[in-house]
Amino acid sequence: SQQGEEDPQALSIQEGENATMNCSYKTSINNLQWYRQNSGRGLVHLILIRSNEREKHSGRLRVTLDTSKKSSSLLITASRAADTASYFCATDAKGGDMRFGAGTRLTVKP
Amino acid sequence: SQTIHQWPATLVQPVGSPLSLECTVEGTSNPNLYWYRQAAGRGLQLLFYSVGIGQISSEVPQNLSASRPQDRQFILSSKKLLLSDSGFYLCAWSGTRRVHNEQFFGPGTRLTVL
Repeated sequence: SQQGEEDPQALSIQEGENATMNCSYKTSINNLQWYRQNSGRGLVHLILIRSNEREKHSGRLRVTLDTSKKSSSLLITASRAADTASYFCATDAKGGDMRFGAGTRLTVKP
Repeated sequence: SQTIHQWPATLVQPVGSPLSLECTVEGTSNPNLYWYRQAAGRGLQLLFYSVGIGQISSEVPQNLSASRPQDRQFILSSKKLLLSDSGFYLCAWSGTRRVHNEQFFGPGTRLTVL
């Protein structure tokens, strides 16, 4: 069964706007990761946040983790048309293996 | 640097025919290897993972099987395909250090069963 659940399922914004995607999970984790998938391609790792971290940045990406709420968010600032893709969270559960959510499909309109 | 290869890229097979998808990794030793299936517009479903040669763990009962004949080779097979086997199959690898188990994905195989 899937561990992470992303919302929204789909998000459409204009270029230059910020995009925020959320992920909720059920069990205790070692870390949480965000991946990106362009249509019909493999997944590319974006960022990993450990369970003892609350926020992490990488370029235009900002990830937060709230272990008390079992949730994470991915913020993409100043979005570009090239950011159009599906974004997945994946949780490395303690005592288990990585599980991926169903993803958020982001469309950035030029 | 490490690379991961999958082939074929696309495959159209009739119902009841056999299947063999291959995944190989270069540039690393003793990787953890994974097979995922992704239905159209959906997330990834973990099918099999392997922590070593000949060691296969199955996540979901189905008519698929996996084998790891060599350290960096992972094969997904079926004796008789079903319509429901259609999907996008992704192979991935990760290092054996569990704390940082970022996964690296291959380009995928698009399987259509008719």
